[in-house]
Amino acid sequence: DTGVSQDPRHKITKRGQNVTFRCDPISEHNRLYWYRQTLGQGPEFLTYFQNEAQLEKSRLLSDRFSAERPKGSFSTLEIQRTEQGDSAMYLCASSASTSGGAETQYFGPGTRLLVL
Amino acid sequence: EDQVTQSPEALRLQEGESSSLNCSYTVSGLRGLFWYRQDPGKGPEFLFTLYSAGEEKEKERLKATLTKKESFLHITAPKPEDSATYLCAAGAYSSASKIIFGSGTRLSIRP
Repeated sequence: DTGVSQDPRHKITKRGQNVTFRCDPISEHNRLYWYRQTLGQGPEFLTYFQNEAQLEKSRLLSDRFSAERPKGSFSTLEIQRTEQGDSAMYLCASSASTSGGAETQYFGPGTRLLVL
Repeated sequence: EDQVTQSPEALRLQEGESSSLNCSYTVSGLRGLFWYRQDPGKGPEFLFTLYSAGEEKEKERLKATLTKKESFLHITAPKPEDSATYLCAAGAYSSASKIIFGSGTRLSIRP
């Protein structure tokens, strides 16, 4: 299977701890996205990379959140000093850039975070 | 502000009972309209992309259509395995990257 993969699939942590999630995109895709989804809502955009450059960040992405894509391949999303409000599903997606219309984003299975 | 609204929030149908899901969008220049299916605890699974008003796409029992303000996902003679949350999302010219999702329609098909 050459789809988007995410690790871990589930994470339980205590408030105040740091957590890191990993995303491996579809190999030929140069764009990578992070979203957050809470129960009963659609995914909300957090940030986006084109190759290794982080080109856009949502105002939802507080200073406690940082994302990297060091070699333009996999990406990590770190949350420092977690809060109970950070509990959500964190989704990664990837796409191949095209000229013109919006390209299709393909999603991974997500990492479900629970902060106690 | 760019916005996507889906209705109804939830829909229960009998197996074989056809219906439509609605997605209304207000974006500053539509770059693409996307439909995804999401099963509980999983990531969204891509279904369709529509780019211009009048465009239609079909896959098995699903057909997506697009107007200048709305998109519809028509489901014909659904089966229990079609039960899922269906998400609509719009890409706007205000952002080269992100797509804006609606809250989804939870579809339940009774045998």
